[in-house]
Amino acid sequence: EVKLVESGGGLVQPGRSLKLSCAASGFSFNDYWMGWVRQAPGKGLEWIGEINQDSSTINYTPSLKDKFTISRDNAQNTLYLQMSKLGSEDTAIYYCARALVLRYYFDYWGQGVMVTVSS
Amino acid sequence: EIVLTQSPTTMAASPGEKVTLTCRASSSVSYMHWYQQRSGTSPKLWIYETSKLASGVPNRFSGSGSGTSYSLTINSMETEDAATYYCQQGSSYPTFGGGTKLELK
Repeated sequence: EVKLVESGGGLVQPGRSLKLSCAASGFSFNDYWMGWVRQAPGKGLEWIGEINQDSSTINYTPSLKDKFTISRDNAQNTLYLQMSKLGSEDTAIYYCARALVLRYYFDYWGQGVMVTVSS
Repeated sequence: EIVLTQSPTTMAASPGEKVTLTCRASSSVSYMHWYQQRSGTSPKLWIYETSKLASGVPNRFSGSGSGTSYSLTINSMETEDAATYYCQQGSSYPTFGGGTKLELK
């Protein structure tokens, strides 16, 4: 069974940093692209970015590429999202998802982790 | 950026009613994908590559479209179909529509 479990969320002050993790199991992690998607409270879905199997290609939505960094550790079957200079607009549920990039869609999603940016 | 516009934003349907949700793209895309999100849960892949049903999706659902206009249809609304549905394109970097909240009447 494919399982994606995010962790590392919580309350963080404006301007600070936070690193999220996504533990993958039930599939060969190093065979897949992975991505992050977020959802602000009561709002729709926003693609953050993606990383390929060997981390040689990492893409971001333009508005976030200077704030967020995606990485992965294939030995640990873990995906990461490093977030910096956080603002209230970054308050959201953050999902990791497995990406099938040939036609580009997300076939499995984690349960999500809440990040609240507030003083 | 390809902008996806979903309509309606919200709608209510009675059990047994036929439902059609639409998604329009600001530029032509090759495929459209759809996700179902029930309240308080993560999105689930529902329809991929425009018309293929994801595993476990009832066959009362169907998808169609091409170019800039796509739709998701429920042949006969059931209670469990009440949810928010999002379209998503991957022709350019991925973008999602704003969602259609489908409620039970």
